[in-house]
Amino acid sequence: KAGVTQTPRYLIKTRGQQVTLSCSPISGHRSVSWYQQTPGQGLQFLFEYFSETQRNKGNFPGRFSGRQFSNSRSEMNVSTLELGDSALYLCASSQDREGEKLFFGSGTQLSVL
Amino acid sequence: GENVEQHPSTLSVQEGDSAVIKCTYSDSASNYFPWYKQELGKRPQLIIDIRSNVGEKKDQRIAVTLNKTAKHFSLHITETQPEDSAVYFCAASITDTDKLIFGTGTRLQVFP
Repeated sequence: KAGVTQTPRYLIKTRGQQVTLSCSPISGHRSVSWYQQTPGQGLQFLFEYFSETQRNKGNFPGRFSGRQFSNSRSEMNVSTLELGDSALYLCASSQDREGEKLFFGSGTQLSVL
Repeated sequence: GENVEQHPSTLSVQEGDSAVIKCTYSDSASNYFPWYKQELGKRPQLIIDIRSNVGEKKDQRIAVTLNKTAKHFSLHITETQPEDSAVYFCAASITDTDKLIFGTGTRLQVFP
């Protein structure tokens, strides 16, 4: 069974631009969560989608948004990029309805110049 | 708000020694506590988890203990090996939601 796939692996953008990150969950997993990882800050929860509905949201500004498609694939969008948005963005999928037992992708490393 | 504190931030041990990482959580109704291991340049991977109805769980050289009264849980690694070197994250579930709050991570270095 293929794992969680995230594309692209690396992205370089400039301030003010927008970016879209993609995540394909493990087959059969319906819950997809997104996390931002920065050095020293651990994994900060962005949002979670289940059956195309945003079920939970973290404390990030409205510039961060996401969606989930009927095949459970998810996208995350960041508009008006800021330097502080540079981070590793991790997607995780889960089979459990409670969204536990997360399986992570390799992440997208975003650099904002 | 919800919070998970993790200590220490770095830990260096000699091969064969034991390592202990501790976490405390703020939401007394949290009921699920996983631990993830992230090797350099790789994705976090679940290594062990425990639910609030259990006080201890073991899997070969790793074990997790939970003290609900004190709201803390710990990861114990015995007979450490160089391949145990990684960043370890604890997490706790948040009541009435399905999200996990992660600690800030512990960088474990095992020296041969």
